[in-house]
Amino acid sequence: GESVGLHLPTLSVQEGDNSIINCAYSNSASDYFIWYKQESGKGPQFIIDIRSNMDKRQGQRVTVLLNKTVKHLSLQIAATQPGDSAVYFCAEKNQAGTALIFGKGTTLSVSS
Amino acid sequence: GAGVSQSPSNKVTEKGKDVELRCDPISGHTALYWYRQSLGQGLEFLIYFQGNSAPDKSGLPSDRFSAERTGGSVSTLTIQRTQQEDSAVYLCASERLAGGVGELFFGEGSRLTVL
Repeated sequence: GESVGLHLPTLSVQEGDNSIINCAYSNSASDYFIWYKQESGKGPQFIIDIRSNMDKRQGQRVTVLLNKTVKHLSLQIAATQPGDSAVYFCAEKNQAGTALIFGKGTTLSVSS
Repeated sequence: GAGVSQSPSNKVTEKGKDVELRCDPISGHTALYWYRQSLGQGLEFLIYFQGNSAPDKSGLPSDRFSAERTGGSVSTLTIQRTQQEDSAVYLCASERLAGGVGELFFGEGSRLTVL
């Protein structure tokens, strides 16, 4: 079946540190992966995406790495700030190419 | 409107009652999704509408759940004979292009509590 999961449900870091959030996926045919951020009481918000023909993509303070060999995805946040505190989800398209399937999420807590 | 709008934001109902949740997607977005998020959990896919095609209903948990999208815009998720396990936040999202790159724009959700 299809599943997208994360290695750790929670991650606590100090302000200014770099954060790495990991995700394992099971559908080897997936060609597109996305990271979303969900702040308390809000809907998820798109952060960054990556296609399977890439192994790295950078955005503003964020980098996504894709290792197709071990079906592993990670989100790196540089110089983590208190405003980065949220739940982070990785997601992939389902086999039909329609719905986005989300993992359970990692809660990132940033302390000052 | 500027974003995806959902109503009601909160709904408390008694077990066995029917509820309707409404979603107004971003104007011009052709795809619309419903997800369910239980407390502390991830997003569970429910249903996907794309243009005039038949919806992907593969995520609906039981026949008590149904959804419509009228005129390719507003969508209503209906839960009949609600059960306590239906309590969750129901999130709607729209996407500019059907089958697009996956940038969904979410509403803030409708929190359903079934007593």
